Amino acid sequence: DVVMTQSPLSLPVTLGQPASISCRSSQTLVYSDGNSYLNWFHQRPGQSPRRLIYKASNRDSGVPDRFSGSGSGTDFTLKISRVEAEDVGVYYCMQGTHWPPTFGQGTKLEI
Amino acid sequence: QVQLQESGPGLVKPSETLSVTCTVSGGSVSSGTYYWSWIRQSPGKGLEWVGYIHSTGSTNYNPSLKSRVTISAATSQHQFSLRLTSVTAADTALYYCARVDGTYGGYWGRGTLVTVSP
Repeated sequence: DVVMTQSPLSLPVTLGQPASISCRSSQTLVYSDGNSYLNWFHQRPGQSPRRLIYKASNRDSGVPDRFSGSGSGTDFTLKISRVEAEDVGVYYCMQGTHWPPTFGQGTKLEI
Repeated sequence: QVQLQESGPGLVKPSETLSVTCTVSGGSVSSGTYYWSWIRQSPGKGLEWVGYIHSTGSTNYNPSLKSRVTISAATSQHQFSLRLTSVTAADTALYYCARVDGTYGGYWGRGTLVTVSP
């Protein structure tokens, strides 16, 4: 299986300040079509994960533009330009290029 | 809007079979190009993709579980189910059902907790 490694695992932030999460894969996530099938999910306490970013850099519908994703190959980053209170929770990267899909360990963002 | 609702036994004894069902509203498990999936989440293993049944009826399972897992669909009842045999404490998890597309985006249920204990 492809191992997804996130850092940091805990991210204390101040409201209005930027935040950044790194995700590395044990194999390249570039598929034969040239895309990197790397997703970012956000999970609030007591809720199911919600996808924010797909194919490394595309925001899902309704996701605020303060969220951005970048990277390709094996190194990816999720950035929040200005953290808001509703952004607390755990962030996961997930690869969908290779079967089975695999998730990172999660990064807990705390205000 | 598609909604998914998991239902399960809550408690299963070791070595027995775990069965959970997902009821779908606002969509059919036999239409479209979707992967009707099961994902589980546990403190020890984090998030793990168990497998899926495609709208066409084909299935794909996580190799780590393949010998024990079956996913099936009851299209007339707008349901699909997960069956996991010979369970151990390591199978204790919150089990989510989801409808996803080819990029793994879509709708998730709220999850049902299954505990494996004597």
